[in-house]
Amino acid sequence: GDSVTQMEGPVTLSEEAFLTINCTYTATGYPSLFWYVQYPGEGLQLLLKATKADDKGSNKGFEATYRKETTSFHLEKGSVQVSDSAVYFCALSGGGGAQKLVFGQGTRLTINP
Amino acid sequence: DADVTQTPRNRITKTGKRIMLECSQTKGHDRMYWYRQDPGLGLRLIYYSFDVKDINKGEISDGYSVSRQAQAKFSLSLESAIPNQTALYFCATRPRQGNTGELFFGEGSRLTVL
Repeated sequence: GDSVTQMEGPVTLSEEAFLTINCTYTATGYPSLFWYVQYPGEGLQLLLKATKADDKGSNKGFEATYRKETTSFHLEKGSVQVSDSAVYFCALSGGGGAQKLVFGQGTRLTINP
Repeated sequence: DADVTQTPRNRITKTGKRIMLECSQTKGHDRMYWYRQDPGLGLRLIYYSFDVKDINKGEISDGYSVSRQAQAKFSLSLESAIPNQTALYFCATRPRQGNTGELFFGEGSRLTVL
């Protein structure tokens, strides 16, 4: 079945550092790919998405490119801030009638001032 | 007010008790989902519903049941709670059409089973 694998955390960086969180997937067909973010005490909210190969999703300075050849959707940000501290989830939405999201295990990111 | 509301937000209960977690939404979405979040495991799907008459099991439905009382309401029940059901539970919604897969989440219900 479909699956998503994220780099294990926790990840701790200093403010203004460069961020990469790796995500790879296994899926049949052509899934849509997502990054969700969960701030402390809150639910998940969509950060960015890409629906086809070579698409780049971007939001709040974060970017991720849908790479079909490497089945990857790595999250990047050039200069992180303390307010970016959160748990990040990579997810895919496969085809078929179920239309459910499959999530990675989450990566906890802490940014120190 | 939140578009997807979960109650209770926190609950502590004892083994063997019956627990109901409720979800209501004002987004007008047809599809509703219950997920469970455990550290290091991400979110796993428990049940999902496409409308009032359409209920489907997810990957970890054992020990849980659901009820779709109306388009806007989707409840998750633990008939006899056990400690390994201690987790953070999320309700989510999405529309039937015009959507590339994005889910809209509630703020979560933290359940502790002693």
